[in-house]
Amino acid sequence: AQSVTQLGSHVSVSEGALVLLRCNYSSSVPPYLFWYVQYPNQGLQLLLKYTSAATLVKGINGFEAEFKKSETSFHLTKPSAHMSDAAEYFCAADFGNEKLTFGTGTRLTIIP
Amino acid sequence: DAGITQSPRHKVTETGTPVTLRCHQTENHRYMYWYRQDPGHGLRLIHYSYGVKDTDKGEVSDGYSVSRSKTEDFLLTLESATSSQTSVYFCAISWSGQRNTEAFFGQGTRLTVV
Repeated sequence: AQSVTQLGSHVSVSEGALVLLRCNYSSSVPPYLFWYVQYPNQGLQLLLKYTSAATLVKGINGFEAEFKKSETSFHLTKPSAHMSDAAEYFCAADFGNEKLTFGTGTRLTIIP
Repeated sequence: DAGITQSPRHKVTETGTPVTLRCHQTENHRYMYWYRQDPGHGLRLIHYSYGVKDTDKGEVSDGYSVSRSKTEDFLLTLESATSSQTSVYFCAISWSGQRNTEAFFGQGTRLTVV
């Protein structure tokens, strides 16, 4: 079955430290992949997307993600965490069926 | 924000009553989606529409119906609300169902069934 898995429902990092949020997909054909961010009491907004043009994708707010087919992964990183990065992050995949399949989300907490 | 308005933003209703949530867009996007968000489950697709009067079920469609009589409006109806339908509901739009197309989300509707 096609699915998206996010490891770690909660991640805490210190301000200035590396942020690493994990996302893996299950599919025989690589999907298009997306990372969305949700701030408290708001909807989701797109951080970045992988559409096969390049395996390293840069997004807004200094985030980037690398698609690794051999690992079926699309992990989200940011070199230096900022307090404003505290939010919930969702990985999503389009498996070619006109809709997005979401992971269960990772809540990121930044420690001052 | 993309031109997406969800109404109401908050609602408390009693078990067994019908409830309709509205999603209105001003972007003339073809695709519209209803998701529910629950802790530990992320976002799960309820129903979606790929055009006026064209709808299809998502993974958690039981107990829900939808209608789309105009491009700009997509209604989600709970025919007889149950406590398990307490959730935050998000509408999303996309101009295309193609795989590289971004979806834009509304602000959400928090529904409580008591």
